[in-house]
Amino acid sequence: KAGVTQTPRYLIKTRGQQVTLSCSPISGHRSVSWYQQTPGQGLQFLFEYFSETQRNKGNFPGRFSGRQFSNSRSEMNVSTLELGDSALYLCASSLGQGVNGYTFGSGTRLTVV
Amino acid sequence: AQKITQTQPGMFVQEKEAVTLDCTYDTSDPSYGLFWYKQPSSGEMIFLIYQGSYDQQNATEGRYSLNFQKARKSANLVISASQLGDSAMYFCAMREGTGTASKLTFGTGTRLQVTL
Repeated sequence: KAGVTQTPRYLIKTRGQQVTLSCSPISGHRSVSWYQQTPGQGLQFLFEYFSETQRNKGNFPGRFSGRQFSNSRSEMNVSTLELGDSALYLCASSLGQGVNGYTFGSGTRLTVV
Repeated sequence: AQKITQTQPGMFVQEKEAVTLDCTYDTSDPSYGLFWYKQPSSGEMIFLIYQGSYDQQNATEGRYSLNFQKARKSANLVISASQLGDSAMYFCAMREGTGTASKLTFGTGTRLQVTL
């Protein structure tokens, strides 16, 4: 079966702009989680969506938001980009009901200039 | 306090040798899960192995095994018969609770280099 698909793969944006990243989970998976990976802070949890509802949220400013659609695809949005938002953004999908399987996508590498 | 600690920033191992990557964790939740992921330079996180807190036996997946010592709160990854393709970053991660709110907490990672 198809894996987790993240688009775009690479992105370059200017400070102050906004960006939307997309994640299509494995078919049948209802949970999508987002993580930010930077050399300085490592891997940090952003938020998790399950059945179109945000179920858990990390410690990130309100500029970071997300949503999930009825087909479980998820988007995350970052507004008013800062240089420090440059990172690899990874999403992970799972069944989300106590089953311990998280499959990650290849990530979107965002560069803010 | 760090929830997941990986004390080895980098490790070298010769091809065909075994290597142990260390991971200690901290939680007061009796129900938790421990994961190891491999991240090659391409960026994708590849699941390797999982150990549940109530599992009686150490997990094994092919050349990967998890040395789970609950009392010491350690979950070391053992890779047997290392291959050149094993060169990558390795992350230990923990999920606390029963999974109704899924969140993984990651360690800082260990960069493994396999040499000829």
